[in-house]
Amino acid sequence: AAGVIQSPRHLIKEKRETATLKCYPIPRHDTVYWYQQGPGQDPQFLISFYEKMQSDKGSIPDRFSAQQFSDYHSELNMSSLELGDSALYFCASSSLEGAVYGYTFGSGTRLTVV
Amino acid sequence: AQSVTQLGSHVSVSEGALVLLRCNYSSSVPPYLFWYVQYPNQGLQLLLKYTTGATLVKGINGFEAEFKKSETSFHLTKPSAHMSDAAEYFCAVRLTYSSASKIIFGSGTRLSIRP
Repeated sequence: AAGVIQSPRHLIKEKRETATLKCYPIPRHDTVYWYQQGPGQDPQFLISFYEKMQSDKGSIPDRFSAQQFSDYHSELNMSSLELGDSALYFCASSSLEGAVYGYTFGSGTRLTVV
Repeated sequence: AQSVTQLGSHVSVSEGALVLLRCNYSSSVPPYLFWYVQYPNQGLQLLLKYTTGATLVKGINGFEAEFKKSETSFHLTKPSAHMSDAAEYFCAVRLTYSSASKIIFGSGTRLSIRP
């Protein structure tokens, strides 16, 4: 079965650079969620989209922005990167009806800022 | 506001022994509860979930959890631990009455298995 696809799997950037993470949800899933997991930390909710509109916002820095496109894939844009942005970034997707039953997570993008 | 508390950041059991990972939740409305497992350098995999109905839910890999409203708990158990169960386990909660509402994770419990 198709899963949530995230790209790239690994990314190394220097401080103050920009990074773009991509997420391709499971077909027919219309909701996308982004989480950030720092080393040894639990996943922290960043932002979510439903039908291309932002549906919820968590602890996402102002330096980050995200959007969901017409094909339902989503991109997380991160600017002025800081060392503390080094983390595993997860994307998850669900259909609105199935959302209450939990999401399906991608394998994550590991961002390292040096 | 809803939240989950996982008691014990690290649990170590012998192979073949009972696994018990504790989770308590707080929610103003009946919650949907989840357990996720994360193996080293991998993503989050859904182990099991409680939505409505039967309070004892069975998941993958022989795990099960029981929703106890009176105790606001959703502890994860497995009768006999296997070496392959070594991983990080996250309890999570979600509001039932909100479209596209987010899942909130606990701080996680690292399960180690001793030979």
